[in-house]
Amino acid sequence: DSGVTQTPKHLITATGQRVTLRCSPRSGDLSVYWYQQSLDQGLQFLIQYYNGEERAKGNILERFSAQQFPDLHSELNLSSLELGDSALYFCASSTGDRGVGTDEKLFFGSGTQLSVL
Amino acid sequence: QKEVEQDPGPLSVPEGAIVSLNCTYSNSAFQYFMWYRQYSRKGPELLMYTYSSGNKEDGRFTAQVDKSSKYISLFIRDSQPSDSATYLCASSLSGNTPLVFGKGTRLSVIA
Repeated sequence: DSGVTQTPKHLITATGQRVTLRCSPRSGDLSVYWYQQSLDQGLQFLIQYYNGEERAKGNILERFSAQQFPDLHSELNLSSLELGDSALYFCASSTGDRGVGTDEKLFFGSGTQLSVL
Repeated sequence: QKEVEQDPGPLSVPEGAIVSLNCTYSNSAFQYFMWYRQYSRKGPELLMYTYSSGNKEDGRFTAQVDKSSKYISLFIRDSQPSDSATYLCASSLSGNTPLVFGKGTRLSVIA
C-alpha cells in the first residue's frame, strides 16, 4: 500500500458529463501529481500541485482542471467528457522538497478507471 | 516522435532467465533516469534511479544509461514469476521538471 488514496476506483459516465476524481496524498507529502494512462499514450503527466499552489503543468486539456486544498487533498475535475477521455487516472504524491526529477520517490495511488460511454 | 520510446512487448521468459528491458530517448538534455514497475491494477512504483550516465545495481536489478546513444536499460537477473509486471522507463530534464514516461514493456516470467 503506497499510502495514496484515490476515489472512486471506477467511474462510468456519458459523453458531455462532468466528473470529479479525488486524491488523498501520503501523510506529510506536500506535492500531488495527476497522470493519465491509456494504452495508446502511456502515462502522461497532467499537473502538479505543491502545498496548494500549481507548480507544473503538462498535457492537460482546458476541459480539465485541478486544485489542492488546505488539507492537501486534491481533486481533478473533468468536464464535457469525450470518449477519448476514457483512461486510468493516477494521483501520486511526494514530499516535494527535492524535486521530482531527483531520486525523490513518487508514490502512486491505485488509480481511478474512467469509462466514458 | 515521443520523447521516451519503449517496446511494449509482451516479453515472456522462463524463470531464472536474465531479462533485458530497453528504452531510447530523444532529448539529449535529459539527466535523470528511472525505472518504475507497475503490477496489474496498481499504480507504478519506483524501482531504480540513475543520474546521468553509468550503471546502478540493486540486488537482482541493474540500471544502465548510455547518454552517447540515448539508451536506457534495465537488467533483471534470476528472474522470478513475481517480476511479472509492466516496466516503465522515465526521464526528466532536471530535479524540478516532471518525469516523461515510456509506454511500458509488459513482462511475464513463466515458472
